[in-house]
Amino acid sequence: DTEVTQTPKHLVMGMTNKKSLKCEQHMGHRAMYWYKQKAKKPPELMFVYSYEKLSINESVPSRFSPECPNSSLLNLHLHALQPEDSALYLCASSQVQSGEQYFGPGTRLTVT
Amino acid sequence: AQSVTQLDSQVPVFEEAPVELRCNYSSSVSVYLFWYVQYPNQGLQLLLKYLSGSTLVKGINGFEAEFNKSQTSFHLRKPSVHISDTAEYFCAVNPGNDYKLSFGAGTTVTVRA
Repeated sequence: DTEVTQTPKHLVMGMTNKKSLKCEQHMGHRAMYWYKQKAKKPPELMFVYSYEKLSINESVPSRFSPECPNSSLLNLHLHALQPEDSALYLCASSQVQSGEQYFGPGTRLTVT
Repeated sequence: AQSVTQLDSQVPVFEEAPVELRCNYSSSVSVYLFWYVQYPNQGLQLLLKYLSGSTLVKGINGFEAEFNKSQTSFHLRKPSVHISDTAEYFCAVNPGNDYKLSFGAGTTVTVRA
């Protein structure tokens, strides 16, 4: 099973709202990732968790707050977002740091 | 940092015709190479990967790619495309011992009947 699941599929939120994106994998992978993808562009890395610890933060604004409650779950907490944060947010996981990454279906976020 | 160049931004192709998507990368060391496909309104799906061994790699849905170290290329091919192959295709490179994937800009493949 190479499935990464993400909820919700779609999310519309105002600039003062607080919401969370959720990601889950049951492949035993120890690295998990958050990406942001704008239309017709490749994914941009935001965060990497390795063995449940934050390993990489690509200078992401603090209005995005990641959390890794356990080895299977990854959350992205959103607060005070801007309209330009509207995008597809993808979660991924990998067995090792240089291995192939498996992506979830994404959450389409619209900030109004 | 790795640089990945996908030489064609858009590739229109007729159904049952062959297609080749070109990918070049910049690296002086061994790398791991991947092709991903993204169908409309979906996430990325791994098509195939090169980690080591045979330079001709076969993937899902009839796709294959050839690793050429001297030309630092990893071109993707399919001998006969279907309408359902219409999608965005991304080439990606990992230099090894790194979490970061460097993606190309993507190639939009449109298959017409």
